[in-house]
Amino acid sequence: DAGVTQSPTHLIKTRGQQVTLRCSPKSGHDTVSWYQQALGQGPQFIFQYYEEEERQRGNFPDRFSGHQFPNYSSELNVNALLLGDSALYLCASSALGQGNSEQYFGPGTRLTVT
Amino acid sequence: ILNVEQSPQSLHVQEGDSTNFTCSFPSSNFYALHWYRWETAKSPEALFVMTLNGDEKKKGRISATLNTKEGYSYLYIKGSQPEDSATYLCAPDRDDKIIFGKGTRLHILP
Repeated sequence: DAGVTQSPTHLIKTRGQQVTLRCSPKSGHDTVSWYQQALGQGPQFIFQYYEEEERQRGNFPDRFSGHQFPNYSSELNVNALLLGDSALYLCASSALGQGNSEQYFGPGTRLTVT
Repeated sequence: ILNVEQSPQSLHVQEGDSTNFTCSFPSSNFYALHWYRWETAKSPEALFVMTLNGDEKKKGRISATLNTKEGYSYLYIKGSQPEDSATYLCAPDRDDKIIFGKGTRLHILP
């Protein structure tokens, strides 16, 4: 049973560029949440996708957008990258459709913006 | 804005000793509280999900209690072992939005 997977593991981008991060949920899970974890902080909620729609959103600008596919996998897109977007991006999946909010996290994507 | 506070930020404990730390959160619109253990270079691992006031959960040497009326949860570790070294994150679930604290960084000293 594969757990949550994320790609790529590491990524280096330049200011102003755009980036796409990918997440595959744990088998049987239908909900994907994205978090940004900056150094010294706890993970900050970006948004959650369920049934291919953005269900909840945290306090992040519109430069952060996402998508969920019919197979429940998800993408996080960040446009017009800023230096401050450098962080670890975590994806977590859960089985919201079964009323279970327990989340399983992926290993994360380390994004560095130069 | 939901304000989640964890204390202490960092803790050094002698191997074999027991320890505990705190998570406090606004008690309004509470749905559930999650505790995670996050070891360096690994993914956060779910420890407990608690929903009811007075809930007490146990997993081996680790246990947690929940007070939803006053908005706090304690995590206890009995007889600390080197493998307990990690960051412990609490995350209250409010309106299906999980907000994380900054965590308590636990170091077990041999």
